[in-house]
Amino acid sequence: GAVVSQHPSRVICKSGTSVKIECRSLDFQATTMFWYRQFPKQSLMLMATSNEGSKATYEQGVEKDKFLINHASLTLSTLTVTSAHPEDSSFYICSAAGTGGNEQYFGPGTRLTVT
Amino acid sequence: GQSLEQPSEVTAVEGAIVQINCTYQTSGFYGLSWYQQHDGGAPTFLSYNALDGLEETGRFSSFLSRSDSYGYLLLQELQMKDSASYFCAVRDGTDSWGKLQFGAGTQVVVTP
Repeated sequence: GAVVSQHPSRVICKSGTSVKIECRSLDFQATTMFWYRQFPKQSLMLMATSNEGSKATYEQGVEKDKFLINHASLTLSTLTVTSAHPEDSSFYICSAAGTGGNEQYFGPGTRLTVT
Repeated sequence: GQSLEQPSEVTAVEGAIVQINCTYQTSGFYGLSWYQQHDGGAPTFLSYNALDGLEETGRFSSFLSRSDSYGYLLLQELQMKDSASYFCAVRDGTDSWGKLQFGAGTQVVVTP
């Protein structure tokens, strides 16, 4: 199956700083990428959908100025958590979808801890 | 609104059969998917049903009834490694991207 990588896998940062998470599709071109957030023992909550070369579409309640998404190429999307606070501590997972596929390929996730 | 309902937890012994039901109410429907997630890991794709009926993949099978807005995942010959969370997800066909809406997940606990 297709491979999606995320970097870093784990990050600890101080409150008020910004953190960038990268999501890469390694062996296919991802026209669409999705960013999810998952709190412990909870489901995956879709944060935003990004298409290469266009602005991301954010789900209701997700602050677009706080969670900056850039999908600059068909293999890379980035999520920047700006001015992070402890309540932003979570497991962030990206997924990628190719064209015409019924399956989304998930990255391994990034564990963010804000102190 | 949109919602997917599935049981929160199921416990079974090794070798048993477990059925995880999922009912959904979504504005668009383009198929029902199932994902497995082990603690601390990423979701992995198990199956996808776009049409009514049963899809079998090894020990796992998935069923869909679109008229009932209902599906299930069947896990047969349970193994200890099957202990994980299982999520149903509806592919929302209201836009061309087909984004997924996930259920709350079912924790499957397999005991010896």
